[in-house]
Amino acid sequence: DTAVSQTPKYLVTQMGNDKSIKCEQNLGHDTMYWYKQDSKKFLKIMFSYNNKELIINETVPNRFSPKSPDKAHLNLHINSLELGDSAVYFCASSQVSRGSYYEQYFGPGTRLTVT
Amino acid sequence: AQSVTQLDSHVSVSEGTPVLLRCNYSSSYSPSLFWYVQHPNKGLQLLLKYTSAATLVKGINGFEAEFKKSETSFHLTKPSAHMSDAAEYFCVVTPNQGGKLIFGQGTELSVKP
Repeated sequence: DTAVSQTPKYLVTQMGNDKSIKCEQNLGHDTMYWYKQDSKKFLKIMFSYNNKELIINETVPNRFSPKSPDKAHLNLHINSLELGDSAVYFCASSQVSRGSYYEQYFGPGTRLTVT
Repeated sequence: AQSVTQLDSHVSVSEGTPVLLRCNYSSSYSPSLFWYVQHPNKGLQLLLKYTSAATLVKGINGFEAEFKKSETSFHLTKPSAHMSDAAEYFCVVTPNQGGKLIFGQGTELSVKP
């Protein structure tokens, strides 16, 4: 069974389009994250949600909008795609207990290519 | 502020020889530290974690890391490299604020036959 899954795995689209990436976890975790990995493999957090509440929102353009319909899902919607949005996007999840965040489990990634 | 520096962008070893991947961290208080591995075109897998318990941490696949507060280091080692160890390795620190992970730049490990 896949713990953290993302769809699609590959996404090729043109500039100006709107696209969504979906993420689901079946680990029973209450916190989910989106990370962006650039062409130099540098990883940076974008957002995190705890029990459907946004708790981290890094300096990400407001064209990016996360949505968490429930604890097990965190989707990423991107409006007006730009060339610089091309990257690999990773979803992750973890459990929180008494204010401590445990290790994060990552999905396989979605490679977004904007042409 | 927390940060992580991986001292080598690329390390090449021969199969069967030891592996050393170096990581220094900066933190204003006792951090939690992790090593993650990313095989080509794959997601990230947790190798091991340090959370203020034993300073020598053992992980999966024979990897271990030692937390040295005096040197602010968390180097990853393995006694004998396998071809399957070839991957990108990330040293990670977390300030335990909202679960945010701060990644190092990554070290690409190559293993020669």
